[in-house]
Amino acid sequence: QVQLVESGGGVVQPERSLRLSCAASGFTFSTSVIHWVRLAPGKGLEWVAGISHDGNTEHYADSVKGRFTISRDNAKNMVYLQMNSLRAEDTAVYFCAKEGYTSGHCGAFNIWGQGTMVTVSS
Amino acid sequence: DIQMTQSPSTLSASVGDRVTITCRASQTISSWLAWYQQKPGKAPKLLIYEASSLESGVPSRFSGSGSGTEFTLTISSLQPDDFATYYCQQYDSYSPTFGKGTKLEIK
Repeated sequence: QVQLVESGGGVVQPERSLRLSCAASGFTFSTSVIHWVRLAPGKGLEWVAGISHDGNTEHYADSVKGRFTISRDNAKNMVYLQMNSLRAEDTAVYFCAKEGYTSGHCGAFNIWGQGTMVTVSS
Repeated sequence: DIQMTQSPSTLSASVGDRVTITCRASQTISSWLAWYQQKPGKAPKLLIYEASSLESGVPSRFSGSGSGTEFTLTISSLQPDDFATYYCQQYDSYSPTFGKGTKLEIK
């Protein structure tokens, strides 16, 4: 069935790095735009980053620009989020999500993974 | 970035009630607005896209309206399964933004 499955979360010290993975199945991955969205404890949803279907275009929230990198491997149906220089405020559940309906700039997210927890703490 | 102001932040209601949640954009976003439902420990679920289009499989008691900067999500008759947190999201720009959420509680 159509699904996204995240992995790679865990507990990491401040200023260290972590790479999240998102495995896609059940749909045509190579034509799909994929995003990362996070939910911090007690907070609301925050968009983190998005990547075009061919990997040539990336967009980032100001809060992670220069520290996080989104990438994809269409041969493996995988999207990644490399997170460097992690901060306590990056602590959150990270979801990957697929665009289903687009404005031409971005889209509504109709498929979501179950999320993976990242805790940044010394 | 486009700011999304969602209200109320908390809403207490009873089964069978009609409820409305409002979302206001800091600039016009045409109809590029989505609504999501999220329950604790679960992924968000898309309810409405393009301001008023119902996602497949979503009950018809959910409806959305608005354009430009003012949008509403209405649940016509609350069911026990509807108590959750609701978010609006604009996708008019390359940097989508969410409202801060509305927690719908049982009165």
